[in-house]
Amino acid sequence: EVKLVESGGGLVLPGASLKLSCIVSGFTFSDYWMRWVRQAPGKGLEFIGEIKPDGSKTNYAPSMKGRFTISRDNAKNTLYLQMSSVRSEDTATYYCAITTYWGQGVMVTVSS
Amino acid sequence: DVVMTQTPVSLSLAIGQPASISCKSSQSLLGTSGKTFLNWILQRPGQSPKRLIYQVSKLYSEVPDRFSGSGSETEFTLKISRVEAEDLGVYYCWQGTHFPLTFGSGTKLEIK
Repeated sequence: EVKLVESGGGLVLPGASLKLSCIVSGFTFSDYWMRWVRQAPGKGLEFIGEIKPDGSKTNYAPSMKGRFTISRDNAKNTLYLQMSSVRSEDTATYYCAITTYWGQGVMVTVSS
Repeated sequence: DVVMTQTPVSLSLAIGQPASISCKSSQSLLGTSGKTFLNWILQRPGQSPKRLIYQVSKLYSEVPDRFSGSGSETEFTLKISRVEAEDLGVYYCWQGTHFPLTFGSGTKLEIK
């Protein structure tokens, strides 16, 4: 069974940093491009970026460049999203995904 | 970025009625490989998105055959031949032909 489980979310202050994790199982993690997608409350889906199977290349949506960093540890079957200088607009549920499967999501709330 | 426009915004249908959702892209989604990376996903209330259809018309194995997808270039349609209670939620089209991948704004299906 394919599973993607995100963690690391919560309430954070504006300007702070936060690192989300996504642990996967049920497929060969090191074979897949991995993505992060977010969804603001009551809104649609927004692509953040993706990382190559071996971790050598990342691509970010233009609007996400600069404050988000995607990385992975294939030995731990884990994907990461480092968020910096967070703003209220970053309040959202963050999903890790491959083309065919999505995690259950983790909520990040940016508020003072 | 490729803009994905979905209509209608919402649908309210009785069980057994057919449903049709349109998705139009601002650019052709026919890739250089000859494939069209237009996909459909369903997000049920309180859940993460689930896969439905890939490359315009190919159903994932677990998807009931009352679902179908069609279209080409910039115009695509998702159809449900007879709506069932479990079909409620928000349907999104998304494209993976052009970077960054982009999503439609969603169509909410409610059951009368």
